[in-house]
Amino acid sequence: SQQGEEDPQALSIQEGENATMNCSYKTSINNLQWYRQNSGRGLVHLILIRSNEREKHSGRLRVTLDTSKKSSSLLITASRAADTASYFCATDAAAAGNKLTFGGGTRVLVKP
Amino acid sequence: DAGVIQSPRHEVTEMGQEVTLRCKPISGHDYLFWYRQTMMRGLELLIYFNNNVPIDDSGMPEDRFSAKMPNASFSTLKIQPSEPRDSAVYFCASTSWGQPQHFGDGTRLSIL
Repeated sequence: SQQGEEDPQALSIQEGENATMNCSYKTSINNLQWYRQNSGRGLVHLILIRSNEREKHSGRLRVTLDTSKKSSSLLITASRAADTASYFCATDAAAAGNKLTFGGGTRVLVKP
Repeated sequence: DAGVIQSPRHEVTEMGQEVTLRCKPISGHDYLFWYRQTMMRGLELLIYFNNNVPIDDSGMPEDRFSAKMPNASFSTLKIQPSEPRDSAVYFCASTSWGQPQHFGDGTRLSIL
């Protein structure tokens, strides 16, 4: 089974609104990463948060990590139509070296 | 700055044929990963290499799949014989230790 599970599976919002998606995982991690995938393209790395960090920001992105609950959230503020994509969390588990395990993704639609 | 380059972008072939997918990683990266993405199973890791050596091939579905990395700048994923259930998008990604993975744009494979 997948290490990371995203929630919700799909999200539809208006431009300018915030989008929040969550990721839960099962085992201890070194870090957790979020990736974006536009239609027909490969995954693009957005942000990495290490197991000893609780929050991280990058532009309009805010990621939180709660290792006690084994969960993370990604917040996109002031969304734009260009943010329409699928978003995946990926865990770098403590025992897995540099191998990532990806969740099923959240499909985000930002309507203009 | 060239990213990960995959070829072909699209492949349509009949079942039973041999299929070869190619990947050129980012120069200087010493890890290379092959993934398969389907609607049903999401993004699955098939195999990964470190310094051209296969480290973990536990995700390779069966003996019909094989992967090689003859040098630091080239890898192939081969399916022989191909079957309709192999239809998917295949991604290659590369990275260095502790860094995010960089993905190619994938090969969309259709087996008729």
